[in-house]
Amino acid sequence: GAVVSQHPSWVICKSGTSVKIECRSLDFQATTMFWYRQFPKQSLMLMATSNEGSKATYEQGVEKDKFLINHASLTLSTLTVTSAHPEDSSFYICSARDDARAFTGELFFGEGSRLTVL
Amino acid sequence: QKEVEQDPGPLSVPEGAIVSLNCTYSNSAFQYFMWYRQYSRKGPELLMYTYSSGNKEDGRFTAQVDKSSKYISLFIRDSQPSDSATYLCAMSVQGAQKLVFGQGTRLTINP
Repeated sequence: GAVVSQHPSWVICKSGTSVKIECRSLDFQATTMFWYRQFPKQSLMLMATSNEGSKATYEQGVEKDKFLINHASLTLSTLTVTSAHPEDSSFYICSARDDARAFTGELFFGEGSRLTVL
Repeated sequence: QKEVEQDPGPLSVPEGAIVSLNCTYSNSAFQYFMWYRQYSRKGPELLMYTYSSGNKEDGRFTAQVDKSSKYISLFIRDSQPSDSATYLCAMSVQGAQKLVFGQGTRLTINP
C-alpha cells in the first residue's frame, strides 16, 4: 500500500513552454501533498504544500506564479511549471500524506520527474 | 545552524560490513523520526519509522532514537551492494505538516 504515482518521469521542453506534472495517491486519500525540488547530490527542497480544495502554501523564495499547484481531488495534485527556462531544469518530486495516518508525519513519495528545459 | 544535521559522506564500505548512519537535530519538539532511502534518479522510499525514543528493528535495519542527545541512527547489518543509495533522515513535530530532512548520506557498498 501507500503508493504514489508521478507522471511524467522524464520530460524535455523548449524554453518558454509550460509543463504539467501529475502526482496521484493510488491507494489512499491525501488531503495534503508536498512538492519538492532536488538538485544533483543535494537534499530535498520543499517548494510548496498542496491542500485539497484550497490554495497551496509556498515556501519563501518560490514563485507561485511560476509554479502553479492545483489539488483538485483527494488523490491528485498537479504542478505546472509555467514559461519554463533552463534554470528550471531539475528533479521534481511529490509526496503525499495518508489521511488515515496523518498524525504520524509519514510521507510517501512519487518516483520523481526530471525536467530538462532547452 | 541547520535544524537537522547529517553528514553527506560519501561513505564507502565493503560488502557484509555493518553501516552506521546518523543525524543530529536541534528541535526538542520532534517526535516522529524517519529514514528514507533514495536510489539515483528515483523518489525517496520510506525505510524506517520511529516514534519518540527507542529502537526499532526490521530485518537487517535497526533505527535508534536518543531524544536526550537529539541523535538518531540507522544501522544496516550484513550490508549488500543493493543497499548503495542515499539515506535521508527526516523528522517532524506531532501534528505538524512539514517534514524536516537531513542533507542525506551517500552510501556505497563495495562487492
